[in-house]
Amino acid sequence: TQLLEQSPQFLSIQEGENLTVYCNSSSVFSSLQWYRQEPGEGPVLLVTVVTGGEVKKLKRLTFQFGDARKDSSLHITAAQTGDTGLYLCAGGGGNAGGTSYGKLTFGQGTILTVHP
Amino acid sequence: DAGVIQSPRHEVTEMGQEVTLRCKPISGHDYLFWYRQTMMRGLELLIYFNNNVPIDDSGMPEDRFSAKMPNASFSTLKIQPSEPRDSAVYFCASSLGGRGGDQPQHFGDGTRLSIL
Repeated sequence: TQLLEQSPQFLSIQEGENLTVYCNSSSVFSSLQWYRQEPGEGPVLLVTVVTGGEVKKLKRLTFQFGDARKDSSLHITAAQTGDTGLYLCAGGGGNAGGTSYGKLTFGQGTILTVHP
Repeated sequence: DAGVIQSPRHEVTEMGQEVTLRCKPISGHDYLFWYRQTMMRGLELLIYFNNNVPIDDSGMPEDRFSAKMPNASFSTLKIQPSEPRDSAVYFCASSLGGRGGDQPQHFGDGTRLSIL
């Protein structure tokens, strides 16, 4: 069974601070996706990383996929109150025809609160 | 384009009653997923379909839960009889195949289910 562990589970910071969320596993994933979820809504995809060592930037958000494709991180620079939400990492992959093909393994999530 | 549509948005019912949750995936998507989200357990995959065929139902908690996908544009998740511990937010998501689990999943806004 593939598992993804996210840390920290909760993060409460002041506007303007930087933060990093980690997503770790003992399993190799073919890709790693990050989602953000706001209250009353479903998760929305932020980014997908597919190559070991890949770094992607989305404005103030930087996503990195580990070289061995077992871990990932999300770094937010100068957090804003609008960044508040639940951040989920999800690992994808599996071989075609296998029971894990087509599905994602989600981490438990990090609840981020950014105070003004 | 319309996203994933779930109904109802909220459901409150008494223990022992049958509950049916509905989902319309994004047109053209060939994967459909049902998830359950709680604070304690996070986002759990219950079952997923590919081309209307159930692929993996190992996440379905027990025989009281059943899911069907009679055609490419409609799926149901049924709980009979319902119990208070089934209270959660249930999400439906769809994705376009190809690289299987590497594809982003598009979530509906969920059904908040409360069993009294």
